[in-house]
Amino acid sequence: SQQGEEDPQALSIQEGENATMNCSYKTSINNLQWYRQNSGRGLVHLILIRSNEREKHSGRLRVTLDTSKKSSSLLITASRAADTASYFCATVWNTDKLIFGTGTRLQVFP
Amino acid sequence: ETGVTQTPRHLVMGMTNKKSLKCEQHLGHNAMYWYKQSAKKPLELMFVYSLEERVENNSVPSRFSPECPNSSHLFLHLHTLQPEDSALYLCASSLLPGTSGSSNTGELFFGEGSRLTVL
Repeated sequence: SQQGEEDPQALSIQEGENATMNCSYKTSINNLQWYRQNSGRGLVHLILIRSNEREKHSGRLRVTLDTSKKSSSLLITASRAADTASYFCATVWNTDKLIFGTGTRLQVFP
Repeated sequence: ETGVTQTPRHLVMGMTNKKSLKCEQHLGHNAMYWYKQSAKKPLELMFVYSLEERVENNSVPSRFSPECPNSSHLFLHLHTLQPEDSALYLCASSLLPGTSGSSNTGELFFGEGSRLTVL
């Protein structure tokens, strides 16, 4: 069954604004990962947060994890037009499976 | 460039054709995956190969046949497909957790995908 559900499904902002995307999942996890996909291309790994971590930073990305609520958020600060893409959360609940959500389509206008 | 190469990037085939998608990685990974991405649907995990053995087949129709001849190559053989099989097929690879010398936690490296259109 599907693990991750992102919301919103679509988000439009202006350059310089922050973008926040949320992910909810259903079962216990080992870690949660966020990926980015430019239109028609492959997915690229952005950041991973382990189940015993609550917050993690990487450049302009900030990820939080709340295992009690089974949710995570991805914040992109000072967004740029080049950040326009779809963003997916994925959870690891088995050592060789990564289950993805439906994604958030982010549009950043110059 | 992720180190995972998929060919062809685009494929158009009729329902009676036989074709194959190819995936190649030289990252030293020991697990490979096929995912299907259709419009407005989550990525669907189709097949998983772990140490060249198929460990997952998520109720995929037999008209899709995977092959993993070695740890660097993965194929998806296509036969008598249906129009609803049109999608972006993504290959990925990873290093299995617990692999000697690895602290990997399951990060996937994806190819650019093969866009399949079935007429």
